[in-house]
Amino acid sequence: GAVVSQHPSRVICKSGTSVKIECRSLDFQATTMFWYRQFPKQSLMLMATSNEGSKATYEQGVEKDKFLINHASLTLSTLTVTSAHPEDSSFYICSAPTGGSNQPQHFGDGTRLSIL
Amino acid sequence: GENVEQHPSTLSVQEGDSAVIKCTYSDSASNYFPWYKQELGKRPQLIIDIRSNVGEKKDQRIAVTLNKTAKHFSLHITETQPEDSAVYFCAASRFSGGYNKLIFGAGTRLAVHP
Repeated sequence: GAVVSQHPSRVICKSGTSVKIECRSLDFQATTMFWYRQFPKQSLMLMATSNEGSKATYEQGVEKDKFLINHASLTLSTLTVTSAHPEDSSFYICSAPTGGSNQPQHFGDGTRLSIL
Repeated sequence: GENVEQHPSTLSVQEGDSAVIKCTYSDSASNYFPWYKQELGKRPQLIIDIRSNVGEKKDQRIAVTLNKTAKHFSLHITETQPEDSAVYFCAASRFSGGYNKLIFGAGTRLAVHP
């Protein structure tokens, strides 16, 4: 079964709306979580590293003011897509290392975001 | 930074045949190499991984080999079955700053025909 829970699984909303996506680690603590974006038939592109109790680390080219990340507890990281536009439509997916920071990462089920 | 190249982009085999997917990486400091299988619309699932202190690892029909000198690693699937059909991603990372940051290859779409 899934060890990383992501919610919601699907969002359809109007342009200009802000959308929050949650990523939870189940039965384990994750001081670090990762957020990826995946366009159709493409690879997973790392957007940012979410760090519990400190600021997220963003990859080059990812706007930190556009994609707000908050890691308020050892089991929850949130990604907020602010003022979303159609080009933000994508599959957003989080991951967390289970059993310790140097352990394999497991992914959530992903969130399919569609901006009209 | 790390760059991972993956080949082929598509692979079609007959049921029972073997399938091989190859990846190369650029950062010689990378020391962890997982492989993920992703079915359409679903999350990537870890199928096997290897660390740099090991040259080969096997789990039933799946094996991974690593050549640190050449900076490449490969996934081998034997006796393929239709349910092996999916997109496979390789990744490379090194443990730094307290975590492994995975950089993924472009993916290989594997089709296994009955």
